Amino acid sequence: EAGVAQSPRYKIIEKRQSVAFWCNPISGHATLYWYQQILGQGPKLLIQFQNNGVVDDSQLPKDRFSAERLKGVDSTLKIQPAKLEDSAVYLCASSSAGMSGNEQFFGPGTRLTVL
Amino acid sequence: DQQVKQNSPSLSVQEGRISILNCDYTNSMFDYFLWYKKYPAEGPTFLISISSIKDKNEDGRFTVFLNKSAKHLSLHIVPSQPGDSAVYFCAASSRRGSTLGRLYFGRGTQLTVWP
Repeated sequence: EAGVAQSPRYKIIEKRQSVAFWCNPISGHATLYWYQQILGQGPKLLIQFQNNGVVDDSQLPKDRFSAERLKGVDSTLKIQPAKLEDSAVYLCASSSAGMSGNEQFFGPGTRLTVL
Repeated sequence: DQQVKQNSPSLSVQEGRISILNCDYTNSMFDYFLWYKKYPAEGPTFLISISSIKDKNEDGRFTVFLNKSAKHLSLHIVPSQPGDSAVYFCAASSRRGSTLGRLYFGRGTQLTVWP
């Protein structure tokens, strides 16, 4: 079974530029999550999708971050414009258990550096 | 507001000995707890979980203990092996309320197992 795929693995941009990350979850997983992990901290949920609907985006800075999950499969996370404090690893995860709290499977992440 | 706390940023253990990683939580609504292991440049991988209806769950060398009254859980690794060297994240979720399925992570503990 293929795992969660993410691209790119690394991205360096200057502040005020835009950037987009892509995620392909495990086949058949209805729930998809985007996390932000700042150095020295644990992952923090940004947004959760159930199929192509948003379940929880309470922690998403909506003035600059946006995410979509077309057709309930792949997802993209966009930052526009980026700030220095957005430097972090962006992790995508998926699960088949929906809202049961069962384990989530993570991709390798995208390391974003904002200069 | 850190609802899941891992107060030890690092732990060093000799190969063959027991590793004990600790985690505390503050939200009494949490009823499902997970441990993830993370190697550098990889996403977190699920290790073991425990429901609040249990106080112990065992899987091979890994055992998780839950003390609900103290809002404390611990992960025991016996015997520890050099390949166990990684960052360990404690996570918690609630299967009730408005945050169904959302995982709250601690900051992680870097475990180093030396020969």
